Amino acid sequence: AIQMTQSPSSLSASVGDRVTITCRASQGIRNDLGWYQQKPGQAPKLLIYAASTLQSGVPSRFSGGGSGTDFTLTISSLQPEDSATYYCVQDYNYPWTFGQGTKVEIK
Amino acid sequence: EVQLVESGGGLVQPGGSLRLSCAASGFTFTDHYMDWVRQAPGKGLEWVGRTRNKANSYTTEYAASVKGRFTISRDDSKNSLFLQMNSLKTEDTAVYYCARVQSQGSASCLDYWGQGTLVTVSS
Repeated sequence: AIQMTQSPSSLSASVGDRVTITCRASQGIRNDLGWYQQKPGQAPKLLIYAASTLQSGVPSRFSGGGSGTDFTLTISSLQPEDSATYYCVQDYNYPWTFGQGTKVEIK
Repeated sequence: EVQLVESGGGLVQPGGSLRLSCAASGFTFTDHYMDWVRQAPGKGLEWVGRTRNKANSYTTEYAASVKGRFTISRDDSKNSLFLQMNSLKTEDTAVYYCARVQSQGSASCLDYWGQGTLVTVSS
């Protein structure tokens, strides 16, 4: 199975900061990657698919990039409501595999 | 409005069985593959498996950790998804989510999720 490694595991940033989370695949996965946001007690929410396509209704401050093995999720201007855990997941082959998550906290 | 509502969770002893259901509404169920994803308490997300639709012969895929013990099925006449879990282990304790698969060309994603149902495996 493809292993997905996210970094950092957690971060703390101020409102308005630019935040970048990285996700590395153990083998090339083209652009078959999604990003999900999960707040405590809630189901995950799709943010980005195909590495860089923003899901409808998701604020434009979220963006994704990368291809092959290295990917990023960027929040251009961190907002209080962005406090959550973020997961990448590869949909290149089965089984789908998630990263371990990155917890984003607001200072 | 797309809705996915899971049910059937609860407490079960190791070695026991449980069947989860997911009731879907607000979209054409037969058009979509459907997934199960789980989350152990305080842990990350783990993909459990998928059922494809009738057009793709209802074929299934599973994570190695559940293959041979879990079975995913669907009843299109009732817009329902199921997860039959047998030979349950303590490490199967988790919140189980059903999710709709959206395919956009070659890309796939899980665009709608249920609220989850908790399964606790303990003696």
